[in-house]
Amino acid sequence: RKEVEQDPGPFNVPEGATVAFNCTYSNSASQSFFWYRQDCRKEPKLLMSVYSSGNEDGRFTAQLNRASQYISLLIRDSKLSDSATYLCVVTLNNQGGKLIFGQGTELSVKP
Amino acid sequence: EPEVTQTPSHQVTQMGQEVILRCVPISNHLYFYWYRQILGQKVEFLVSFYNNEISEKSEIFDDQFSVERPDGSNFTLKIRSTKLEDSAMYFCASSEDGAAKNIQYFGAGTRLSVL
Repeated sequence: RKEVEQDPGPFNVPEGATVAFNCTYSNSASQSFFWYRQDCRKEPKLLMSVYSSGNEDGRFTAQLNRASQYISLLIRDSKLSDSATYLCVVTLNNQGGKLIFGQGTELSVKP
Repeated sequence: EPEVTQTPSHQVTQMGQEVILRCVPISNHLYFYWYRQILGQKVEFLVSFYNNEISEKSEIFDDQFSVERPDGSNFTLKIRSTKLEDSAMYFCASSEDGAAKNIQYFGAGTRLSVL
């Protein structure tokens, strides 16, 4: 089983749409959770950390369900500039900060 | 805004040659990392480095790989004898500390092409 598994994508949506990404992780010892964004052939950039209580940053909402080992990202009112690959990332508390990446879900927002 | 810088942006080499990829982490950061991403695949952890020694390494990081912090600012990844399958984007990252919650900042990457 993959350590971090994401929807395979790609997601093609019109501007203004709401889109949701799902992610599951296999190691129940995982401690911290993130969504990163990666533009084509560029470096991953942190979009937001994910907290157990859920958190929101503008149009982006992240949720964590530790019991189900499930993480989600919701993007509302999607913009053309949201087109990118969204990476679900976890870390294990005893691993010196190593990031474990999912394979990413590609989003394409069309006018 | 402070950033992680990597050089070169693109390195082309012949199979069997040695390459050194260079990184300048953010100046007050203490933990350094290398990741790689083969085209079309996920980002994979290679190695973490703290206090002048390796903290953790993955199975990918075999004897062909080494890391070094030769001075107060640079952090290098050396591949001794490159193979075709080493072709990938190599990302350097740094963080203030190694705690799980701590944010890692990535450089723009070096694209390594092994011919």
